[in-house]
Amino acid sequence: NAGVMQNPRHLVRRRGQEARLRCSPMKGHSHVYWYRQLPEEGLKFMVYLQKENIIDESGMPKERFSAEFPKEGPSILRIQQVVRGDSAAYFCASSPGQGSKLSTNEKLFFGSGTQLSVL
Amino acid sequence: SQQGEEDPQALSIQEGENATMNCSYKTSINNLQWYRQNSGRGLVHLILIRSNEREKHSGRLRVTLDTSKKSSSLLITASRAADTASYFCATDAVSSNTGKLIFGQGTTLQVKP
Repeated sequence: NAGVMQNPRHLVRRRGQEARLRCSPMKGHSHVYWYRQLPEEGLKFMVYLQKENIIDESGMPKERFSAEFPKEGPSILRIQQVVRGDSAAYFCASSPGQGSKLSTNEKLFFGSGTQLSVL
Repeated sequence: SQQGEEDPQALSIQEGENATMNCSYKTSINNLQWYRQNSGRGLVHLILIRSNEREKHSGRLRVTLDTSKKSSSLLITASRAADTASYFCATDAVSSNTGKLIFGQGTTLQVKP
């Protein structure tokens, strides 16, 4: 049973380009979370999605960032017109989930992350 | 703002010693979890303690939770060089209607052989 798969592992973009980060959750998991981590810092929550639904996007910047988790295929975190400040490690996590809420006592399974570097 | 704050930020010990890391949080929680992160990798779940529990053990790990002080501690006994990593606490706030986990800033542990 493969774990959470993220690709690419490293992504280099120039300012103004678009970055697309992909996440395939563990088999059987219907909940996906995206977190951002700056060097020497903790993880900052960005967005929580179920299949075809955004459950909580309270951590997403208001502009340039979007996320989706379609019925088929991986979850995508999309950053338009990247700036240097977007450089960070972006982690995806998944959980089995029940309904529209992470069940109490549920743990997250993390991918290895995508390191985004904006030149 | 982030819910959890760990201290110390960095800890360096000799192999065989015990390592204690602390986590404080701000709001009422359903549970508190500890995760480990090796350099350049994703986080790995270590242990979960519910809000009605005070102590929990898993192998060389011991976690305590004091809801009156809104704090938790993670103790790693008989540390090994392989325990070198960053350790994060994460909380699931009661006030959250989605149950998302909020992570602290982490403690970087170095265990010297």
